[in-house]
Amino acid sequence: RKEVEQDPGPFNVPEGATVAFNCTYSNSASQSFFWYRQDCRKEPKLLMSVYSSGNEDGRFTAQLNRASQYISLLIRDSKLSDSATYLCVVLMIKAAGNKLTFGGGTRVLVKP
Amino acid sequence: DAGVIQSPRHEVTEMGQEVTLRCKPISGHDYLFWYRQTMMRGLELLIYFNNNVPIDDSGMPEDRFSAKMPNASFSTLKIQPSEPRDSAVYFCASSSRTVSTDTQYFGPGTRLTVL
Repeated sequence: RKEVEQDPGPFNVPEGATVAFNCTYSNSASQSFFWYRQDCRKEPKLLMSVYSSGNEDGRFTAQLNRASQYISLLIRDSKLSDSATYLCVVLMIKAAGNKLTFGGGTRVLVKP
Repeated sequence: DAGVIQSPRHEVTEMGQEVTLRCKPISGHDYLFWYRQTMMRGLELLIYFNNNVPIDDSGMPEDRFSAKMPNASFSTLKIQPSEPRDSAVYFCASSSRTVSTDTQYFGPGTRLTVL
């Protein structure tokens, strides 16, 4: 089982609609969680951190469920520019040092 | 700020050749990371440095891969000899303070093709 798993998609979303997707992680000792965004043939960029109480940044809402070991990302009022791959990132504590582990990404395509 | 700089942006080489990828982190950042991204395996951490010292190299696939950071503003990832399965996009990223609280800033990547 992969340490961080995501539905690869693609999620085809009509412009203006809401889309949500999850990411599961296997290590219950994981400390911190993030969503990164990666555009086609570009580098990943931090979208938002995920806090235990859940957090919102404009049209984006992130949630953490430690009991079920998953995080989620919800995008409201989808824009064409939201088309990208969304990477779930988990900080794990390792004997050799802390390590960020990336999920395989969920591809979102927003269409007119 | 110029951001993380990587060179070359594209590299095409033949199997068996040595490949050297270069990275200049953001000034003042004390962590530097090397990642590899492929369709099959996604984004994988290869190695990371703190204050120029390698901290975790457990992701380095095999002895053909080596990384150095001779000073705070420069790092290299070397593959010798290269193989077709090394074809991927290699990203360098940097961050400051702790991994758990600070954003990792990625460079534009080097797209490596080994024929």
